[in-house]
Amino acid sequence: DAGVIQSPRHEVTEMGQEVTLRCKPISGHNSLFWYRQTMMRGLELLIYFNNNVPIDDSGMPEDRFSAKMPNASFSTLKIQPSEPRDSAVYFCASSLGAGEAFFGQGTRLTVV
Amino acid sequence: GENVEQHPSTLSVQEGDSAVIKCTYSDSASNYFPWYKQELGKRPQLIIDIRSNVGEKKDQRIAVTLNKTAKHFSLHITETQPEDSAVYFCAADSGGYQKVTFGTGTKLQVIP
Repeated sequence: DAGVIQSPRHEVTEMGQEVTLRCKPISGHNSLFWYRQTMMRGLELLIYFNNNVPIDDSGMPEDRFSAKMPNASFSTLKIQPSEPRDSAVYFCASSLGAGEAFFGQGTRLTVV
Repeated sequence: GENVEQHPSTLSVQEGDSAVIKCTYSDSASNYFPWYKQELGKRPQLIIDIRSNVGEKKDQRIAVTLNKTAKHFSLHITETQPEDSAVYFCAADSGGYQKVTFGTGTKLQVIP
């Protein structure tokens, strides 16, 4: 398995634009997590899904952020409209039950 | 919710010496405690984990200890090597589906 795959690896966008980050979890994993990493706030859990259902989105910072998981092999994190303070590395991770969480390579988002 | 505190934030050791990183957690219901290593520009990767039914676990030069009564756990790296230089994150599982809360990270530098 290729592991958790995220795209794009890097994204530079202008303030106000919509940004969509994509994630393909490891096949067979039933939990998916979206994290944001910044120097100031460290690793923050934004939302996690179990069996494609959002379980806890209390970490989503604002209504500008939304996440979907239409099927077991795909998830998106959308920011609309984007702001400079959204600049961060966004990681997707997946796990099987209570097992190890495997992280993707991350998407480095820069909003100018 | 869960709150995880991690100390120190930075740690420098001479090659061959030991390094210890300590974490405390707040939710007495937490029962899974993974440790992740993140090299510069890369994704976090699990290096060792411990569940609440054991007090200590070892894997070659790495060991973790857990004190559930005091709600703290530690990472011990012996015979440190330059390739151990990275940021280490502790985490605690604050609910089902492996919803982990991360500590703020410790930047370990091993000086050759």
